[in-house]
Amino acid sequence: DAKTTQPNSMESNEEEPVHLPCNHSTISGTDYIHWYRQLPSQGPEYVIHGLTSNVNNRMASLAIAEDRKSSTLILHRATLRDAAVYYCILRRFTGGGNKLTFGTGTQLKVEL
Amino acid sequence: EPEVTQTPSHQVTQMGQEVILRCVPISNHLYFYWYRQILGQKVEFLVSFYNNEISEKSEIFDDQFSVERPDGSNFTLKIRSTKLEDSAMYFCASSRTSLPFYSPLHFGNGTRLTVT
Repeated sequence: DAKTTQPNSMESNEEEPVHLPCNHSTISGTDYIHWYRQLPSQGPEYVIHGLTSNVNNRMASLAIAEDRKSSTLILHRATLRDAAVYYCILRRFTGGGNKLTFGTGTQLKVEL
Repeated sequence: EPEVTQTPSHQVTQMGQEVILRCVPISNHLYFYWYRQILGQKVEFLVSFYNNEISEKSEIFDDQFSVERPDGSNFTLKIRSTKLEDSAMYFCASSRTSLPFYSPLHFGNGTRLTVT
C-alpha cells in the first residue's frame, strides 16, 4: 500500500479554519484519498474522500494537489467537537473488500 | 442515521477463555470488517468478510480467531483461547460495497476486551 505522511499533532482555536496536510508522494492512479477521524473513545468516522478533484461535504473540504502527491483536509470552522485524530488513507480497489490501513494520523487539538 | 452497534461495550475475560464479540452491521451493507486498537497504538485491520466468507485477513488473524455471520444480521468475532496480548478495543465496521469511490466504512464504537 502507498504510504501517507501526516504531522503528529496540530492545534487550532475554536471557530477558526484548520488545514490538515497529508503527503502521499507514491500514490498510484487508482488510489482514492480518504480521510477518517477518531474522536476520543469512539470508532473511526468517515469524513471525506476524493480522487483528483477537490471535494466538499457537510463536514469538510478536501483539496487535492494537481499532481496528487499531497492533499489537505479543511475544516472551515473548528469546534471543540472536532478535536480528534485525523487519518489520511489511500484506498485502492483490490477486489477483496479493500481494507483501510490506518497510520498514526494527526492529533488535532482545538482550544477556546 | 443507521449505525453499527457492538456488544458488549466492555468484556473482561480470563486468559485461555473463549470470547465472542458481537456486532450488528448496517442492514443493507454487504462487506464486514473487524479491526482492533491496542491502547495507544494504531487501528489495525484483522479481517474482511463478504458473501459468507473471509475475503482478506491480516497476519494477526491466526487460527485463534474466527468470524461468522450466523443469522443474516449479526457479525461475530470469536477468539478461542484469549491471551493477555489480545487486550484491545475491537471495532466492527461495514460498508455497502467494496468500491472505494462509493462506499466508506462505518465503524461501531467498539468493544473493550480486557484479558486478565
